[in-house]
Amino acid sequence: GQNIDQPTEMTATEGAIVQINCTYQTSGFNGLFWYQQHAGEAPTFLSYNVLDGLEEKGRFSSFLSRSKGYSYLLLKELQMKDSASYLCAVMDSNYQLIWGAGTKLIIKP
Amino acid sequence: ETGVTQTPRHLVMGMTNKKSLKCEQHLGHNAMYWYKQSAKKPLELMFVYNFKEQTENNSVPSRFSPECPNSSHLFLHLHTLQPEDSALYLCASSQVEYGLAVTDTQYFGPGTRLTVL
Repeated sequence: GQNIDQPTEMTATEGAIVQINCTYQTSGFNGLFWYQQHAGEAPTFLSYNVLDGLEEKGRFSSFLSRSKGYSYLLLKELQMKDSASYLCAVMDSNYQLIWGAGTKLIIKP
Repeated sequence: ETGVTQTPRHLVMGMTNKKSLKCEQHLGHNAMYWYKQSAKKPLELMFVYNFKEQTENNSVPSRFSPECPNSSHLFLHLHTLQPEDSALYLCASSQVEYGLAVTDTQYFGPGTRLTVL
């Protein structure tokens, strides 16, 4: 079966750096997405990786290793507003999105 | 504001009621989706419409009935729901272009928080 694994919850301190990992086993691969979802709000698109390596976008970076079935989202200079759930999703060979359960990130002052 | 709106934002209904959820996208996309989001579970894809045609129905019970009158509007009609159907129902849209390697990024609405009593 297809599976996406990510930690349920993480805690970090304001101003610090946090890395949220995602591992996947899917039928084929057509890219990996990261979304941010604040409580009671819509998931919003953060990043897309289809080739190996690091994609940097401001304070957020996303890394992919297709051979290892692994990705991470790196958040730098954490702010209180970064408290949210972070969803990892993989597009399989049928162009269907397979979703992880999300990682709830708690930022403490 | 993602360009996808959903109404109502909150809905409480009894098991014998009939209600409808509405989604509208202002992004000019050609595909729309209904998802169910339950606490601590992955998003569950319910229905997909490409070019107004339903292309996906992931074994969803018949008490959920989708309708897509045009590429900008999507409805989810609800009847005789069960308490376990209580969840956040999310609508999303994307631009799907066949034959090209596109990201098919989905844009979500804020969801309808449904409680079935």
